[in-house]
Amino acid sequence: DAKTTQPPSMDCAEGRAANLPCNHSTISGNEYVYWYRQIHSQGPQYIIHGLKNNETNEMASLIITEDRKSSTLILPHATLRDTAVYYCIVRVARQGAQKLVFGQGTRLTINP
Amino acid sequence: DTAVSQTPKYLVTQMGNDKSIKCEQNLGHDTMYWYKQDSKKFLKIMFSYNNKELIINETVPNRFSPKSPDKAHLNLHINSLELGDSAVYFCASSPPEASGRHYNEQFFGPGTRLTVL
Repeated sequence: DAKTTQPPSMDCAEGRAANLPCNHSTISGNEYVYWYRQIHSQGPQYIIHGLKNNETNEMASLIITEDRKSSTLILPHATLRDTAVYYCIVRVARQGAQKLVFGQGTRLTINP
Repeated sequence: DTAVSQTPKYLVTQMGNDKSIKCEQNLGHDTMYWYKQDSKKFLKIMFSYNNKELIINETVPNRFSPKSPDKAHLNLHINSLELGDSAVYFCASSPPEASGRHYNEQFFGPGTRLTVL
């Protein structure tokens, strides 16, 4: 699996957009980009995934560069409840058990 | 509620004891996992079962033995507990292909904090 690099921490003001970057320069053509987050003392939570195109769901948007070597997770209107560690994971998608490899992630703090 | 549940939430025990952590999911998923999150917050997979069959077995001491009595349950039994086993253990599940959801969308339980004294 391709390695990902994320900043260890970020701050964002409540109500603003939080943009979390992820570098995955060695990503291969069949690997997806996944984002999970872990709010303090809870289990990780799936946010969004994408292959090539930008994706949006009720939680966030995912922008993947054309060369797919980096991506940005966007929380459009961050709230205090979005304070969490955010993990960017690159993985092939196939049926059956999948080993998600969690790195250190980005600790996002939303400030009032 | 539909969810992945774990019991107990907290487990404090002495070194050398044997303990079990239970996990149940009522999401109709075929695949279940155990992850360990240590004191440095690194989250690592330990095991995965698909339809009661062991699929992933990372380099985990054989004191750890997962058991899947059916697709909805994956329990973790730990023998001869050691201080280094202290961690938060998360159970997770992922949907089958036929569900239309993505393979790598894993649903995690709330975790079991194990403390070995």
